[in-house]
Amino acid sequence: ETGVTQTPRHLVMGMTNKKSLKCEQHLGHNAMYWYKQSAKKPLELMFVYNFKEQTENNSVPSRFSPECPNSSHLFLHLHTLQPEDSALYLCASSRARGRGNTEAFFGQGTRLTVV
Amino acid sequence: DQQVKQNSPSLSVQEGRISILNCDYTNSMFDYFLWYKKYPAEGPTFLISISSIKDKNEDGRFTVFLNKSAKHLSLHIVPSQPGDSAVYFCAASGAGGTSYGKLTFGQGTILTVHP
Repeated sequence: ETGVTQTPRHLVMGMTNKKSLKCEQHLGHNAMYWYKQSAKKPLELMFVYNFKEQTENNSVPSRFSPECPNSSHLFLHLHTLQPEDSALYLCASSRARGRGNTEAFFGQGTRLTVV
Repeated sequence: DQQVKQNSPSLSVQEGRISILNCDYTNSMFDYFLWYKKYPAEGPTFLISISSIKDKNEDGRFTVFLNKSAKHLSLHIVPSQPGDSAVYFCAASGAGGTSYGKLTFGQGTILTVHP
């Protein structure tokens, strides 16, 4: 298996539930990201991890909690979400800057619906 | 304030003709630009990129042009094929970021190629 893999592909959760999204990359990259795509809006960066350290939190509410145990895995823990958090959540990975030009590779995303 | 803009929400082209997708940006610190293609229910797929030190990059049927003075880039697809029908996103990185995956996206342009 290669590339960036996200699970689950679809998730429906209640506002009081706790769930986690998982992302795994087999590309040898050392930077990983969470993006959110809401209806009719551009993809928005949520979090950046470089070498397992969070380097950016783009003013994301605390009900979204990322975790990066190693350079290949990234999680997004969800709790007490709101219906407006329903969106497509995308994971991506890349090399860090200074290590050659490279693009970011995206997973297929998790379609989240909060009811 | 949107730093990357794709002002055409949609574009319709006849098969075999050229498709030209446009993108404008406002942040002069951006130094790396990318185009992604996205099908429904899938994550974005990298197409082509260009560094700010170049004004053109070509890969098969896809060519990206960068006009730094105008802060404008375009993607040319020639000849267009029905399989090219998808949403195309322009993205930019740099602006002090440490990772290539820290991208600012445009809103996307829906390209439809008619047989």
